[in-house]
Amino acid sequence: QVQLQESGPGLVKPSETLSLTCIVSGYSITTGYYWGWIRQPPGKGLEWIGSIYHSGGTYLNPSLKSRVTMSVDTSKNQFSLKLTSVTDADTAVYYCVRDEPNDAFDVWGQGTMVTASS
Amino acid sequence: SSELTQDPAVSVALGQTVRITCQGDSLRNYYTSWYQQKPGQAPVLVIYGRNNRPSGIPDRFSDSRSGNTVFLTITGAQAEDEADYYCNSRDSTGDHLLFGGGTKLTVL
Repeated sequence: QVQLQESGPGLVKPSETLSLTCIVSGYSITTGYYWGWIRQPPGKGLEWIGSIYHSGGTYLNPSLKSRVTMSVDTSKNQFSLKLTSVTDADTAVYYCVRDEPNDAFDVWGQGTMVTASS
Repeated sequence: SSELTQDPAVSVALGQTVRITCQGDSLRNYYTSWYQQKPGQAPVLVIYGRNNRPSGIPDRFSDSRSGNTVFLTITGAQAEDEADYYCNSRDSTGDHLLFGGGTKLTVL
């Protein structure tokens, strides 16, 4: 059974960089699929941040592209997100997901709340 | 347009059929997936591709399309179906993914 688990600080100061990691278990990320990040501000809807292939190829939400870096560590079977210059608007629950070929997110992590505050 | 539009709220009587809509020009060309999210929980995929259901999703969930609109239909809604529902597809460029704003379903 594929499982995803997000990890990272729950509090980030404005103007600093948000860093999250997603550990994948029950499936090797080098087997296939894209792996992605989705966020949800409190009381609001879902926003796709971007997705990465195990080879490192990415496709990113154009509204966040200038601030987002995604990477994969195949030796640890995990992938990561960095979001620079955070503001209050980046406060959200961040989910890591498996992005399957039909453009569907079929496996989700439990989500981690990140608050941008001084 | 690169947007996906959903009605903010819909209600249905217990056991009746409800359609939740997702509208957008890009839907003519790309698959749509649907997610159910209950309070405090991560979303769950309920429909993907051409009306496919993941394992464990009841067959009362189905989707269909007409032009630039996709419909998630729940036939015989149950109390446990009360949740927020989000559609997802590609934008008009085909290069990026996006979500609809979500529909809050109330089962009366």
